[in-house]
Amino acid sequence: SQTIHQWPATLVQPVGSPLSLECTVEGTSNPNLYWYRQAAGRGLQLLFYSVGIGQISSEVPQNLSASRPQDRQFILSSKKLLLSDSGFYLCAWSVRQGLPGANVLTFGAGSRLTVL
Amino acid sequence: AQKITQTQPGMFVQEKEAVTLDCTYDTSDPSYGLFWYKQPSSGEMIFLIYQGSYDQQNATEGRYSLNFQKARKSANLVISASQLGDSAMYFCAMSSDGVYGNNRLAFGKGNQVVVIP
Repeated sequence: SQTIHQWPATLVQPVGSPLSLECTVEGTSNPNLYWYRQAAGRGLQLLFYSVGIGQISSEVPQNLSASRPQDRQFILSSKKLLLSDSGFYLCAWSVRQGLPGANVLTFGAGSRLTVL
Repeated sequence: AQKITQTQPGMFVQEKEAVTLDCTYDTSDPSYGLFWYKQPSSGEMIFLIYQGSYDQQNATEGRYSLNFQKARKSANLVISASQLGDSAMYFCAMSSDGVYGNNRLAFGKGNQVVVIP
């Protein structure tokens, strides 16, 4: 069966410090991978998605970047964190092939980032 | 661009009763998918149910059913026989642009449900 892992689960970082959140998927190949952010009391905002190694699409211009160095690894990074980067970050995967709009996203447990 | 609207305030539901969560959407895509996710206090997002825009019948998954009214662009979630474990935020989501093999989801702001004994 497929599993998705995210770490760290909780992170407190000072403004201006770097960030690295990691996500890995097991039990599947060639997944689509996604990074979402959820601000307190809000819905989910898509940040990045990837359909393959080295292929990253950004949905929202911001202080963050993403990389996919391996097929089942997705990394969210920042060189200098801002206060507004605080939030709950969720990684997700879906199968690459399927009916348009029919692929269910499976989420990781999330990483809660607090920038002070 | 896709837009999902969930406007209900927080809801208190008596255990064993049914609850309906409203969701309306706006899209110009001919083919799309609608999803409901549950987010308990732990934060994880749990997939509940999916409805394709061309599906003739409303989707059902155990105690969850989706009341899909395409002409009105609504996709309400019905939870029957509420349980205490149903207390959570519920998010409606829609697939983006129907591109084959790429399933970006746009989410609504969510509905808070509290089940009381």
